[in-house]
Amino acid sequence: DVKVTQSSRYLVKRTGEKVFLECVQDMDHENMFWYRQDPGLGLRLIYFSYDVKMKEKGDIPEGYSVSREKKERFSLILESASTNQTSMYLCASSSREVGVSPLHFGNGTRLTVT
Amino acid sequence: AQSVTQPDIHITVSEGASLELRCNYSYGATPYLFWYVQSPGQGLQLLLKYFSGDTLVQGIKGFEAEFKRSQSSFNLRKPSVHWSDAAEYFCATPQLTGGGNKLTFGTGTQLKVEL
Repeated sequence: DVKVTQSSRYLVKRTGEKVFLECVQDMDHENMFWYRQDPGLGLRLIYFSYDVKMKEKGDIPEGYSVSREKKERFSLILESASTNQTSMYLCASSSREVGVSPLHFGNGTRLTVT
Repeated sequence: AQSVTQPDIHITVSEGASLELRCNYSYGATPYLFWYVQSPGQGLQLLLKYFSGDTLVQGIKGFEAEFKRSQSSFNLRKPSVHWSDAAEYFCATPQLTGGGNKLTFGTGTQLKVEL
């Protein structure tokens, strides 16, 4: 069974802090994703990566960056946290195969920026 | 670009009643479509997916969905809802890029089950 693990379940940070959200998957998946989830807005894609050291902007990349140095790990970085980045952050992974493969999600990190 | 719309934000049903959650898609060709469920405090879990072929798709937990091209819909159904089905449900469709796929999600439907 695919496991996607997010390092923190809850996180409280102060405005201006640099924040790292870590995600690890154990299924050798090529693709990894970071979404944020807000009530009434569903899931919005921040960044995704389809290979080591490769990244692409999603729909809402502003204020975020990512790092993928190893295939199994995908980090989301908030360079200078702001209160409007208070949200639930979900990491996901998928294999790359002909056609479309489903996403496997972690349990999320609820980030509060005060 | 492909997109999906979930017109119902909240739905309440009684336990044992039937359920239908709506999803409309916007895409010219035959789309790929997914339904995911998010239980409280959890990540999303895939319920079912449609790629092509039979328009009635069976999923896990007794759910099914029917692809209707004429209505641009992919509605999720369950004949008899259990209290444990209370969750948020998301319809999704991929946007294929050169490197892989990324999913675009609807805004979700929150299901409440009354005992």
